[in-house]
Amino acid sequence: QKEVEQNSGPLSVPEGAIASLNCTYSDRGSQSFFWYRQYSGKSPELIMSIYSNGDKEDGRFTAQLNKASQYVSLLIRDSQPSDSATYLCAVNIAPDSNYQLIWGAGTKLIIKP
Amino acid sequence: DAGVTQSPTHLIKTRGQQVTLRCSPKSGHDTVSWYQQALGQGPQFIFQYYEEEERQRGNFPDRFSGHQFPNYSSELNVNALLLGDSALYLCASSRGSARDTDTQYFGPGTRLTVL
Repeated sequence: QKEVEQNSGPLSVPEGAIASLNCTYSDRGSQSFFWYRQYSGKSPELIMSIYSNGDKEDGRFTAQLNKASQYVSLLIRDSQPSDSATYLCAVNIAPDSNYQLIWGAGTKLIIKP
Repeated sequence: DAGVTQSPTHLIKTRGQQVTLRCSPKSGHDTVSWYQQALGQGPQFIFQYYEEEERQRGNFPDRFSGHQFPNYSSELNVNALLLGDSALYLCASSRGSARDTDTQYFGPGTRLTVL
């Protein structure tokens, strides 16, 4: 059973601080990794994709991938109340298919003013 | 640039009925994936359509079926509805011919309630 694990939270972070979200996955052959943000009652919104080991930065967001440890994380700098949402980690299944994504259940993030 | 659209927004059905949900992909995208998301869970992959054919299917019964049209829009059909089918149904579009095939962009979803 191929799985993606996330801490369900809630993770409470003061406004202006760094929020750190973590995700582990079971399929060692996975090649593509995604972070989505989902506000309550809305659909997931893509934040970032990452394919190679190391860090990838986009504005206040940094994704970190460590394939040896089967671990991907998302850092949010200068957290804002509008960042309060559920963050979903998604990983592709390999080698069976490059098309199917397996999703974690999400981490609920609360940014406190 | 039009994003992914879905209809209807909300739907209420009774057990045993059939439902059809619709999706139009983002401009320039040719691949449509359907997901079911129960409350408090991550999306569960139902199937993906590319070139009017089902390319990949998740662990869902045959009551779930779909179709893709020449203009890349897609339908999800669910027969013999069960209470457990109540969920948010998400459509995601992507480009099927490149690595970005798995960079998926979601529509607003259809909230299905089965009574």
